[in-house]
Order: sequence, then C-alpha cells, then structure tokens
Amino acid sequence: TQLLEQSPQFLSIQEGENLTVYCNSSSVFSSLQWYRQEPGEGPVLLVTVVTGGEVKKLKRLTFQFGDARKDSSLHITAAQPGDTGLYLCAGVDGGSNYKLTFGKGTLLTVNP
Amino acid sequence: ETGVTQTPRHLVMGMTNKKSLKCEQHLGHNAMYWYKQSAKKPLELMFVYNFKEQTENNSVPSRFSPECPNSSHLFLHLHTLQPEDSALYLCASSQASGVQETQYFGPGTRLLVL
Repeated sequence: TQLLEQSPQFLSIQEGENLTVYCNSSSVFSSLQWYRQEPGEGPVLLVTVVTGGEVKKLKRLTFQFGDARKDSSLHITAAQPGDTGLYLCAGVDGGSNYKLTFGKGTLLTVNP
Repeated sequence: ETGVTQTPRHLVMGMTNKKSLKCEQHLGHNAMYWYKQSAKKPLELMFVYNFKEQTENNSVPSRFSPECPNSSHLFLHLHTLQPEDSALYLCASSQASGVQETQYFGPGTRLLVL
C-alpha cells in the first residue's frame, strides 16, 4: 500500500511570512499533484509535477518534485489570507492514469 | 465553480434510512468517481466509472451502492449506514485519455449518520 505523509498537519502564520509544506513517501510515483481545498468546497488542482527534480512556480507558490520521485514540497512566499486552506498532495500510480493516493493534508491558516 | 455539482450539500440520516447522493458534471467527461473524506484520514477512492462502466470498487461495503446511468450523472445510494460512515462524500470527473488525467471535484455532500 502506497502512503503519503504530509507535514506539518497544521500551520498558522501571519500574513507576509514564508512557509514550506512537505509530502513524503517510501514509494515512487509517476507524478505528483498538489490540491487546495477551501471550506465547503472540493479540492482544486494547483499543479502536477512529473519529472524527478522538477520545479514549478505558480505566482508565489513553488512546487518541487524530489529526484527519486518519492517526495515533494510546496513553498509559499509572502503568504496572504487568501492562501488559507487545506493543501493536499496526491501521488499518481504508475500503473493507472487516474488512481490517486492522497496525503492527509496540511491545514494552513494565514492571519491578517 | 468546477463544473461538477453535488446534491444535497448536507444530509442527516438515521441508520435505518435510505437516501441517495447525486452528482452531475457539465464538462463532457467520460469518467466519474466517488471519494470519501473523513477527519484525520486521507481522501479514499470508493468507486470509478469509465464510460458508464464500473472499473473500480475499492472494497467498499455493500451498504454503499453506486449507479451511473450516463456519463454525466453519478449516484451513490445509501442504506443502513453506520455512524462511522459520517464524512464528506466527494464526486469527481475526468476525461479518460490514456495519459495523465486531471480530476475535477464537486463541493461534496456532508453526511451525518445518527
């Protein structure tokens, strides 16, 4: 069974601070996805990383896929209250295009 | 608004009740999914339908019964549930293409079983 561990589980910071969220596994994934879920909504895909060592930027968010394709990180620069939400990572099974293994998520609160 | 709608948004039911959750996607996708999101547990895939055919049943108890009458609609029929079935039930859809697929999630139905 593939497992994804996310850390920290909870994070509360002030507006303007930087933060990093981690997603680790002992399994290799063909790709890894990051989602943000806001209260009362479903998860929304932010990015998919595919190549080991890949770095993708989405405005103030920087996503990195580990060289071995087992782990990933999400770094947010100058966090805003609008960044508040549950951040989920999901690994894609190499044998399936749709089977996602999710982590438990990191609940981020950015205080004004 | 992701193009995937779910009704009802909230549901309270007793253990002897029968109810159904509905999902509709307006994206022209051909694959639909049911997930369960419980507190302190990762999102769990329950069922997958591809071109209206069930292709995945992730060891889900028979008190959950899915139905996919067409590629735009997905139902989850519930009967004799247990309190531990209380959770957020999420529907998703994607375009099955043989390469990396993006799943679009609905807002979920928050279910409480008393």
